[in-house]
Amino acid sequence: NAGVMQNPRHLVRRRGQEARLRCSPMKGHSHVYWYRQLPEEGLKFMVYLQKENIIDESGMPKERFSAEFPKEGPSILRIQQVVRGDSAAYFCASSGQGGEKLFFGSGTQLSVL
Amino acid sequence: AQSVTQLGSHVSVSEGALVLLRCNYSSSVPPYLFWYVQYPNQGLQLLLKYTSAATLVKGINGFEAEFKKSETSFHLTKPSAHMSDAAEYFCAVSDVGSSASKIIFGSGTRLSIRP
Repeated sequence: NAGVMQNPRHLVRRRGQEARLRCSPMKGHSHVYWYRQLPEEGLKFMVYLQKENIIDESGMPKERFSAEFPKEGPSILRIQQVVRGDSAAYFCASSGQGGEKLFFGSGTQLSVL
Repeated sequence: AQSVTQLGSHVSVSEGALVLLRCNYSSSVPPYLFWYVQYPNQGLQLLLKYTSAATLVKGINGFEAEFKKSETSFHLTKPSAHMSDAAEYFCAVSDVGSSASKIIFGSGTRLSIRP
């Protein structure tokens, strides 16, 4: 009865490299949400996806960030040409069809050197 | 625009003492209000949720929160702290009936429990 699974748990990248963060939603869930948490700040919404569709990307930076949730496989948050300001904890959550109750993963801590 | 403010980034109480974590919200429409807890190395878990029914909401692990419209507050309390309550707590707000993508989180309060 696995919950929301995120990997890797920790990711270290040098400036200019690409970061790929993965999220497998809870079984039976088709809605995925990505959040970013900076030190001393709350979670900030980034993007909301359903299978093969981006529903709301109002929180995504305009450049370098992208997300997908393919028909098969996990959701991927991709950050190209990372900069030090991208260092943060990235959380994924999933929900069922009703969409109200969120189940969170343990997060990926991205560190950019 | 909606927002939540959590007063105190860090609260420390003795085991057995009252826990009070403060949250004030700003919303132009009746909101949904949430408290989430994050234990070390884990994702957030929903503690309780206010949806305009009873103003006193009971959650898991003995926590409860009271919605006070006149004070725009939704403080979280527990009568007697336990060591296992040590965690980070997040207050959140959203519009009634909106999707989870519209939930706005506070900056969190880290709760420490002294033996």
